[in-house]
Parts: sequence; structure tokens; C-alpha cells
Amino acid sequence: SQTIHQWPATLVQPVGSPLSLECTVEGTSNPNLYWYRQAAGRGLQLLFYSVGIGQISSEVPQNLSASRPQDRQFILSSKKLLLSDSGFYLCALKPQSKTYEQYFGPGTRLTVT
Amino acid sequence: AQKVTQAQTEISVVEKEDVTLDCVYETRDTTYYLFWYKQPPSGELVFLIRRNSFDEQNEISGRYSWNFQKSTSSFNFTITASQVVDSAVYFCAPFKGGKLIFGQGTELSVKP
Repeated sequence: SQTIHQWPATLVQPVGSPLSLECTVEGTSNPNLYWYRQAAGRGLQLLFYSVGIGQISSEVPQNLSASRPQDRQFILSSKKLLLSDSGFYLCALKPQSKTYEQYFGPGTRLTVT
Repeated sequence: AQKVTQAQTEISVVEKEDVTLDCVYETRDTTYYLFWYKQPPSGELVFLIRRNSFDEQNEISGRYSWNFQKSTSSFNFTITASQVVDSAVYFCAPFKGGKLIFGQGTELSVKP
């Protein structure tokens, strides 16, 4: 079965600093990959998704970006963090063998100070 | 436009009570998929179930059961004989346009 790794688990960064969150997956090939953010108040917001290497779709305008340099690696970045970027970031995958189910990683809790 | 509503923000029960979490998905689509996820305090979302809009049979898995009624757009989730380990936030999420649309979630607290 597939496994999703996210690091770091927690991160505290000052406003204006850069960001790089990494997600790697095991046990599956050519999955769809997703980045979600969960702000206080619980709702999950889809930020980016990728159907393949180098293919990124952005769901909402923001100062974040995503990249997929390898089939099993998905990176979320920012050049300058804002206070509003604080939240819980979840990486998810949809295996090629599944039509709709998404499976989530353990998440990264980001606090921007 | 589609709208998913989990009207119960928080529910608190005592262990061994049954509890039902409500979800209403308003859509004009005739075919769709609905998901339930559990988010324990650790934060990781756990996939519980996927149902198709054309299958209204109730489904039971251990202490969990799901009741889908297309006529009322409801996809309710019942936990029988709740346990402390069931304490979590539960999300209902329809699948639309290639992505999951999450409700605001219901926080369930099961007291010993």
C-alpha cells in the first residue's frame, strides 16, 4: 500500500522568509498529488494538484507555488511568507488504480510569526 | 452551484452512546460520489467510505454505518456504541470537477 511522507512536521517561520515543504510518496507510481491547507476553523482548501511530473494546477491565487520534479515528489514553496499562510498543510495522493479516493499524509503545521 | 453542509459544528456524547453526523450535499448533478473522512487529533485524514449517488443501500462496517438518501441529499454517518477513540473531526466531502469539496467538519467528542 502507499505511504506519504511529509516534512517537516512542524515549522515556525518569520514573515517574509521563504518556505519549502516536501511531500514524497512510496508504493505507487504516477499518482495524482495534491496540496491542501487547513486553516483555523477546520475547512480544507485545495491549493494545488498535479497529474504528472512538471504538471501543476493552481486552485487559488496566492503567494504559494508548487512543483513536481519527480513522480513521487511534490513540493510547496513560497518566496515570502505572510501571516495568513499559517495553517496545517496536507499532501494527498490518488493512486492510478483508484477512481476518486484520496489518501492523506501526516501534515505539516506551519506557524508564521 | 454545489454546496456541502455539515450543520453540526460540535457534538459531545458519553461513551457507548450512538451518534449520527449529518451531511447534506445540494447539487443538480444526478451522478456523484460522496466521501467521509476522519481527522483524529494527530491531524492525518483517514478515508472512511465512498458512496455513489446511484447506490442508496445503507452500508455497515463494524460500528460505522452510512445512510444515503438522494431525495433529501443527505449522507449521514452513524457510530454505534461510541468509544473515546472515535473522538475526531469528521468531514463529508463530495467529489466534483476532479476534486474533493470538503464540508466544515463536525467535531465529535466522546467522553468516558
